[in-house]
Amino acid sequence: ELKVEQNPLFLSMQEGKNYTIYCNYSTTSDRLYWYRQDPGKSLESLFVLLSNGAVKQEGRLMASLDTKARLSTLHITAAVHDLSATYFCAVGTGTASKLTFGTGTRLQVTL
Amino acid sequence: ETGVTQTPRHLVMGMTNKKSLKCEQHLGHNAMYWYKQSAKKPLELMFVYNFKEQTENNSVPSRFSPECPNSSHLFLHLHTLQPEDSALYLCASSPQGVVLNTEAFFGQGTRLTVV
Repeated sequence: ELKVEQNPLFLSMQEGKNYTIYCNYSTTSDRLYWYRQDPGKSLESLFVLLSNGAVKQEGRLMASLDTKARLSTLHITAAVHDLSATYFCAVGTGTASKLTFGTGTRLQVTL
Repeated sequence: ETGVTQTPRHLVMGMTNKKSLKCEQHLGHNAMYWYKQSAKKPLELMFVYNFKEQTENNSVPSRFSPECPNSSHLFLHLHTLQPEDSALYLCASSPQGVVLNTEAFFGQGTRLTVV
């Protein structure tokens, strides 16, 4: 059974600081997705990582994938309050969007 | 807006009621999904439909009954639910077919409370 673990589960960070969220998964996959969820809202797709060594960046967020280590990271650079949300990684197996989600990391950026 | 619309947004129902959740997408996608999001638990995949055919039932109790009349619409029929079924139910869609490796697009969810 595929397990997807994220850490930390909760992260409080100051504006302007850098931090990394980790996503480990237990079986072979080359499809890794990052989503953002604001309270009471739906999931918004952030990144799609489809190969070993893939790196994608959007604004202050950068995601990478190491399929050999079964690890993806979401790096936050110079955090701002607007980044406060819950971030989920999801691993794709089988059909394209049979996604197994991690538990999520609740990020709180404080002034 | 992701292009996936769910109704109702909130639903309170008794354990003996029958209700239905509706999901609609006009993105031209061929795959649709129901996920359950409970507090402090990962999102759980419930059902997958590809081209209107159910291809995945993730050991979901029979009190949840999905229906996919066409590629644009997905329903989740609910009956004799339990309080522990209270959760956010999310619908998603994705292109499928020859277009693999794309992300799923999620609706806003239906917040279900069973009393």
